[in-house]
Order: sequence, then C-alpha cells, then structure tokens
Amino acid sequence: AQKVTQAQTEISVVEKEDVTLDCVYETRDTTYYLFWYKQPPSGELVFLIRRNSFDEQNEISGRYSWNFQKSTSSFNFTITASQVVDSAVYFCALSEETAGNTPLVFGKGTRLSVIA
Amino acid sequence: DTEVTQTPKHLVMGMTNKKSLKCEQHMGHRAMYWYKQKAKKPPELMFVYSYEKLSINESVPSRFSPECPNSSLLNLHLHALQPEDSALYLCASSQEWDPSSYEQYFGPGTRLTVT
Repeated sequence: AQKVTQAQTEISVVEKEDVTLDCVYETRDTTYYLFWYKQPPSGELVFLIRRNSFDEQNEISGRYSWNFQKSTSSFNFTITASQVVDSAVYFCALSEETAGNTPLVFGKGTRLSVIA
Repeated sequence: DTEVTQTPKHLVMGMTNKKSLKCEQHMGHRAMYWYKQKAKKPPELMFVYSYEKLSINESVPSRFSPECPNSSLLNLHLHALQPEDSALYLCASSQEWDPSSYEQYFGPGTRLTVT
C-alpha cells in the first residue's frame, strides 16, 4: 500500500529564513509520481510540482526547490528566504501507476508559519 | 483560465435539509473530483468523474449524491446529513483522469456546517 509521511506537523520560522519540509513515501511500484500542494488559509490547494519516479533531477523554481532521492524515498521541499505569504499548509502526495481506486494519496500536511 | 469555482463558499444546513454544492471549470478538463477535508487533515477523495461518467465512488454514504450534468459542471447533492459531515468540500479538475500525468486544479472549497 502506498503511504506518505510528513513528520513535521508544524514549523515556525522568521521571515527570510530558509525552511525545508520533509516528505517520505512508501510504494512497491517502480513507476510513481510525487506532488507538492500548498493550501493557504483561503482553502484551495495550489499545485506546486509533479515529479515522476524516473526523474531524480532536483528542481528549482524561484525561491522553491525540491530534492528527490529514491535511495531514501524522500521528496523534500525547501523554501529559501521565506516570506509571510508562504504561510500555509503544505501537502506532499503520491500516485502510483497501478493505483487502482486511490488515485492520489496525501500526507497529513505540514503547517508552515512565517513570522515577520 | 486555470480557475475552478465553487458555490456557495459557506453553507449551514440542518440535518433534514436538502442542498447542493456546485463546481465549475472552463479549462476543458475531462476529469472532475470531489474531496472532503476535515480540519487539520488532508483531503479525502470522495468521487471521480471521467468524461461525465462516475469512475470512482470511495464508499461514500448515499446521503451524498454526485452529478455531472456536462463536462464543465459538477454538483454534489446533500440530503439528511449528519453533524460529522461538517467539513470543507473541495472540487478539483484535471485534463484527464490520470493522476500520474496530470495535476489537479482545486477550487476554494465550500465550508459546510451541519447543525
């Protein structure tokens, strides 16, 4: 069964600090996809990134970067020079190629508070 | 336009009421989803529609009845709900029902309170 663990329930940082959100996953599939979503207080989930299991290249998008390591089954997310607007709940999610009736499995989320 | 809209934003209903939640997207997506999210929990999938046909029903009680009138609209009809059904109901859409290849776009949700 697929599983996503976000061990950090809540993180609080001061503005301009860097912060890393951890995500560890479990799957028996060789083909799978990992996602990060952001949920600000307004409620809607905002798609941030999708990564497939065959692409271990790290990715950078502005202040956001992702570190995918199959050896440790981790897909960590780093925000550089955090800003108050980054305050949100961040969900890591997993989808397997043969997921059947559970297309997308979310972790429990990490609540990030960035203090001015 | 990458927007999924949901109405109403907030809904308070009694246990004997009948109400509907509405979701709309104009991105030409052929898959639409309903999720339920309780406070401080991740979203839980309820239903998936693919090409206007119900593809997944995650053992949701019959007091929740989804409907997909056309490729842009998705409704969730509510009847005889329980207080524990109070939650944020999120609608999402994606190009196809293939979560491995297509990201889902979410609406802002309807915050439902059952009294």
